[in-house]
Amino acid sequence: NAGVTQTPKFRILKIGQSMTLQCTQDMNHNYMYWYRQDPGMGLKLIYYSVGAGITDKGEVPNGYNVSRSTTEDFPLRLELAAPSQTSVYFCASSYPTVGTDTQYFGPGTRLTVL
Amino acid sequence: RKEVEQDPGPFNVPEGATVAFNCTYSNSASQSFFWYRQDCRKEPKLLMSVYSSGNEDGRFTAQLNRASQYISLLIRDSKLSDSATYLCVVNIFNNNNDMRFGAGTRLTVKP
Repeated sequence: NAGVTQTPKFRILKIGQSMTLQCTQDMNHNYMYWYRQDPGMGLKLIYYSVGAGITDKGEVPNGYNVSRSTTEDFPLRLELAAPSQTSVYFCASSYPTVGTDTQYFGPGTRLTVL
Repeated sequence: RKEVEQDPGPFNVPEGATVAFNCTYSNSASQSFFWYRQDCRKEPKLLMSVYSSGNEDGRFTAQLNRASQYISLLIRDSKLSDSATYLCVVNIFNNNNDMRFGAGTRLTVKP
């Protein structure tokens, strides 16, 4: 199993550009998440999904969109990049049973917006 | 007050030392608790869950004090490979979409 994979690893965007961060998991997990981690800060939940076709906002959803058309994939879209979105983005997945809390993280995407 | 607070460190200790980290959380309704480990420029990985009765995994011991709303992690006989940032994580409603992460405590173990 590859686990959770993310692409790209690094990206530099100009203000106003858009991009999609890709996330795929091969563990058949129903739950998937997008977090951002700013320097010296804890991870903040952007969006999550409890299954294909179902998504919901987390703590910091503004400026982002997601979709979940398959169990495996959970892309994160930035429509109009802003410097405040400079961060490390982690995708994660977990078992479907509520209360089974282990989250498996991808290696992250380092995004810089200039 | 932050939802999950940790001493950012850094903690610099010699090999073989015992080191303890504390974490406090603000929501008394929080249901479950964890310690994750994050190596430099890597993703977080679960180190251990924290149970009310306390639990041990080799050199690592985690404890929970619900009355005082804090969680601790004790590392005995520190190894160089223990150098990392340790994240305290609190699940507020026992629901996977309510995990709140502390900013982490950085540990460096020196020879």
